[in-house]
Amino acid sequence: GAGVSQSPRYKVAKRGQDVALRCDPISGHVSLFWYQQALGQGPEFLTYFQNEAQLDKSGLPSDRFFAERPEGSVSTLKIQRTQQEDSAVYLCASSQGAGGLVIDTQYFGPGTRLTVL
Amino acid sequence: AQSVTQLGSHVSVSEGALVLLRCNYSSSVPPYLFWYVQYPNQGLQLLLKYTSAATLVKGINGFEAEFKKSETSFHLTKPSAHMSDAAEYFCAVIRNAGGTSYGKLTFGQGTILTVHP
Repeated sequence: GAGVSQSPRYKVAKRGQDVALRCDPISGHVSLFWYQQALGQGPEFLTYFQNEAQLDKSGLPSDRFFAERPEGSVSTLKIQRTQQEDSAVYLCASSQGAGGLVIDTQYFGPGTRLTVL
Repeated sequence: AQSVTQLGSHVSVSEGALVLLRCNYSSSVPPYLFWYVQYPNQGLQLLLKYTSAATLVKGINGFEAEFKKSETSFHLTKPSAHMSDAAEYFCAVIRNAGGTSYGKLTFGQGTILTVHP
């Protein structure tokens, strides 16, 4: 059974470069989340999609961060002009429903470890 | 705003001993509470969740947690530790906003569990 996959698993970027991180959620899952996990910290929420609609982007740290999910399945997190403080593991999670009264389990991908030199 | 505090960034136990990982939350209303486990280079895996049903929640791999409103706690326990339990554990919360929530997780800082023979 296919879970959530992310690519690349590791990315090294020079400061100032743009990067794109991909998330393939579980097929049919309506909800998709991105989290950022700094070294030694718990994950922190970045943004949320319900199908193709980005309903919450309150956690994006700056306007250099941009996420999309144009067809309601695969999502891409893009970081422009990367800075050293962007170094972290970026986690993607998907869940079956759209929230409401039932709190669906979020299934996490393995993450992309971004290192900015 | 809610937050989650995990007491003890590192816990070490002997194989066969009781595992106790502590989590306290702060929230104006009873939230939904979760425990996730993260093995090296893997994504987060849900151990168990509390969604205002039974206060004692049983999860996978022999873990359980008890929701105590009076203590604002949701501590994770396992009667007998196994070497395979060595991992990092995260407590997380979703705000119960009048019965609706799309599931944005707020995580604690994590507790690394070491199991020695």
